[in-house]
Amino acid sequence: DIQMTQSPSSLPASLGDRVTITCRASQDIGNYLRWFQQKPGKSPRLMIYGATNLAAGVPSRFSGSRSGSDYSLTINSLESEDMAIYYCLQHNEYPYTFGAGTKLELK
Amino acid sequence: EVQLVESGEGLVQPGSSMKLSCVASGFTFSNYGMNWIRQAPKKGLEWIALIYYDSSSKYYADSVKGRFTISRDNSKNTLYLEMNSLRSEDTAMYYCAKSAALDYWGQGVMVTVSS
Repeated sequence: DIQMTQSPSSLPASLGDRVTITCRASQDIGNYLRWFQQKPGKSPRLMIYGATNLAAGVPSRFSGSRSGSDYSLTINSLESEDMAIYYCLQHNEYPYTFGAGTKLELK
Repeated sequence: EVQLVESGEGLVQPGSSMKLSCVASGFTFSNYGMNWIRQAPKKGLEWIALIYYDSSSKYYADSVKGRFTISRDNSKNTLYLEMNSLRSEDTAMYYCAKSAALDYWGQGVMVTVSS
């Protein structure tokens, strides 16, 4: 199975900060990488697809990038509504696998 | 508007069975693969099963293979998850999600396995 190593597990940040979350894939997954946001008591929401593409309705302060087997989600100018847990997902092969999650919280 | 509405939540004893449903609307259900994903309390997300649009292929996580069965009825726009030999570690919120890349999710239903 493909392992997705996500870091950090917790990320304290201040409003207005620029933050980056990273997932490293244990095997080649191409651009079959998605990022999800989950707020307490809610279903996950798709934020980024194809590693770098913004999903519909997602603010432009979110972006995705890839460098080799490392995939990153960056949020520019953090807003309070961005506080959530973020998960990466590889859907290149079965079984699909998620990263362990990054909890973004106010410092 | 895409909507996915799960049902079937409840409390069951270890070793028992349970069936979840997910009714889809707002898109052509029969054109898309569908998934089940679960989340144990205070834990991360775990993909558990996918079924092709025409039921021709099904894939499972090792943790549920041989115990859970994913199925669908395209005439009813409904996805199912039949769960047998339930264990305490199957306690989780269960979500259905649209397409091979999980672009829309339901609100989830809670399954609790406990004696």
